[in-house]
Amino acid sequence: GENVEQHPSTLSVQEGDSAVIKCTYSDSASNYFPWYKQELGKRPQLIIDIRSNVGEKKDQRIAVTLNKTAKHFSLHITETQPEDSAVYFCAAINFGNEKLTFGTGTRLTIIP
Amino acid sequence: GAVVSQHPSWVICKSGTSVKIECRSLDFQATTMFWYRQFPKQSLMLMATSNEGSKATYEQGVEKDKFLINHASLTLSTLTVTSAHPEDSSFYICSASGLAGAFYEQYFGPGTRLTVT
Repeated sequence: GENVEQHPSTLSVQEGDSAVIKCTYSDSASNYFPWYKQELGKRPQLIIDIRSNVGEKKDQRIAVTLNKTAKHFSLHITETQPEDSAVYFCAAINFGNEKLTFGTGTRLTIIP
Repeated sequence: GAVVSQHPSWVICKSGTSVKIECRSLDFQATTMFWYRQFPKQSLMLMATSNEGSKATYEQGVEKDKFLINHASLTLSTLTVTSAHPEDSSFYICSASGLAGAFYEQYFGPGTRLTVT
């Protein structure tokens, strides 16, 4: 089955700086890669996603890049703000079986 | 976006009792629902996949007789934790798969925090 690795597990960034979280996946058949933000005790919230036919996607301060050959994808948050502090999970899915496999999570702390 | 609800949001029960958690898709029909378990400071682990009208498919290591899943309609799935023990205390999250354009997206419920004393 799919295996998703995520790094780093914790990340502290000065407010206004950029944060980068990286994930690798093992199943070359995976074709959809969402990123979720989860605050303590809350549900995961989809913040951005990328499909396998696209190399990069941007939405305001958030961007995701995908390298299918290397089987890795990254989340980039620019101009970080205190409200960006949360746990972020990457995930991978093969639409053929619909099963999301989550990364281990990154606890992002924005230092004011 | 699509809305998924869970009930209850939290529950405390005594060891040995059973607890039922409901997951509902409020504004769309979900052909597939998923149940996850999340321990503190850990990732979401898929427990089982349920399709309406058929038996759930459990992930390796998840006891199907302990975690009973019923998907009676396109908008409701239930997870029953039978004979709960303290080690079953966790955050249980469901998600429902809905068609969004050409792809299926998963919409998460708010989660249920189970504490077994």
